[in-house]
Amino acid sequence: QVHLVQSGAEVKKPGASVKVSCKTSGYTFTTFALHWLRQAPGQRFEWMGWIDEGTGGTKYSQKLQGRVTITRDKSASTVYMELTSLRSEDTGVYYCARSRGSPYDYWGQGTLVTVSS
Amino acid sequence: EIVLTQSPGTLSLSPGERATLSCRASQSVSSNYLAWYQQNPGQAPRLLIYGASGRATGIPDRFSGSGSGTDFTLTISRLEPEDFAVYFCHQYGTSPFTFGQGTKVEIK
Repeated sequence: QVHLVQSGAEVKKPGASVKVSCKTSGYTFTTFALHWLRQAPGQRFEWMGWIDEGTGGTKYSQKLQGRVTITRDKSASTVYMELTSLRSEDTGVYYCARSRGSPYDYWGQGTLVTVSS
Repeated sequence: EIVLTQSPGTLSLSPGERATLSCRASQSVSSNYLAWYQQNPGQAPRLLIYGASGRATGIPDRFSGSGSGTDFTLTISRLEPEDFAVYFCHQYGTSPFTFGQGTKVEIK
């Protein structure tokens, strides 16, 4: 069955970068898009961007453009999300989720990123 | 961007009762690409409804979605103990994709 397994919790200082991974299994990797979303404490979900597993094409939220980069390693069926110039408002749980022009049918378990001095 | 506003914020009901949750969009949702998810504490969301009214795989038929344009509803016909959770709507028709703030269904 389909699994999306994310890397573990991170604690970072303001100004640093974080890179979160999402390892997929149970389906043909190149046939979907992987999206990244985040949820700050007590806030609604925020969409960050997505990558086409096959072509590697990406699209990012305008709000995060320039700070977020999504990449993939086809050989490892893994997608990565890197967020730079971290600030306290970036604290939250980060999720990867699978889509094919559709809502998200499978999600990773979430990765807590804490930004604190 | 499309802003989704859910109401009420909290719904206090008893098992066996009917739950009606609302999601209103600031502009029309393209192709009625509106989904509903259920989320329990510390867990990832679970897809319930897609395309405003399609039930996702494995979702019991007590969950139903309706609506079009800017007004959408999720109905749980008879609440089971495992249905007490947070529900949120999501529009995936227009980038940036956006989410509602959630409705908590709690035991009365």
